[in-house]
Amino acid sequence: KAGVTQTPRYLIKTRGQQVTLSCSPISGHRSVSWYQQTPGQGLQFLFEYFSETQRNKGNFPGRFSGRQFSNSRSEMNVSTLELGDSALYLCASSISGDTYEQYFGPGTRLTVT
Amino acid sequence: AQSVSQHNHHVILSEAASLELGCNYSYGGTVNLFWYVQYPGQHLQLLLKYFSGDPLVKGIKGFEAEFIKSKFSFNLRKPSVQWSDTAEYFCAVNFGGGSQGNLIFGKGTKLSVKP
Repeated sequence: KAGVTQTPRYLIKTRGQQVTLSCSPISGHRSVSWYQQTPGQGLQFLFEYFSETQRNKGNFPGRFSGRQFSNSRSEMNVSTLELGDSALYLCASSISGDTYEQYFGPGTRLTVT
Repeated sequence: AQSVSQHNHHVILSEAASLELGCNYSYGGTVNLFWYVQYPGQHLQLLLKYFSGDPLVKGIKGFEAEFIKSKFSFNLRKPSVQWSDTAEYFCAVNFGGGSQGNLIFGKGTKLSVKP
């Protein structure tokens, strides 16, 4: 079974631009969560989508948004990029249910200049 | 606020040494507990998990962890480390026991194993 895939793997943007990242979950997984990983803050939860609905949201500004499609694929968008948004963005998928075992993708490395 | 603490930022061991990495969390209710590992250049992989039942859980590659509810701890152990265990280890907690897909991660512990 294929794992979680994320595209693109690397991205360079300039301040003020916006960016869209994509995540394809493991087949059959209906929940997708997004995380930001930085050296200073570590791994921080952004949001979670289940059946096309945002079910949970972390403590990030409104510039960070996402959505999920009917095939469970998910995108996240960051508008008006800031230098501090440079990070590895990780997507994780789960079958959902009570146990919440998450499988992570390789991440998208975003650099904002 | 819910939080997860990993006490050691960087641990250096020789091969065959025993390993214990500490993890404590702040919440007193139901939790699901995880340890993830990130090998150099690779993505996060699940090492082991605890949901309920026997507080001593065994994972892949000879790792185990013990859930001590009274201490809000979930320490990771391995009796004898190998050079290939060099990686970063993350403790993660799902507060509330599931149904919401947000994991709170510790800051991670880098393990360097000297051959």
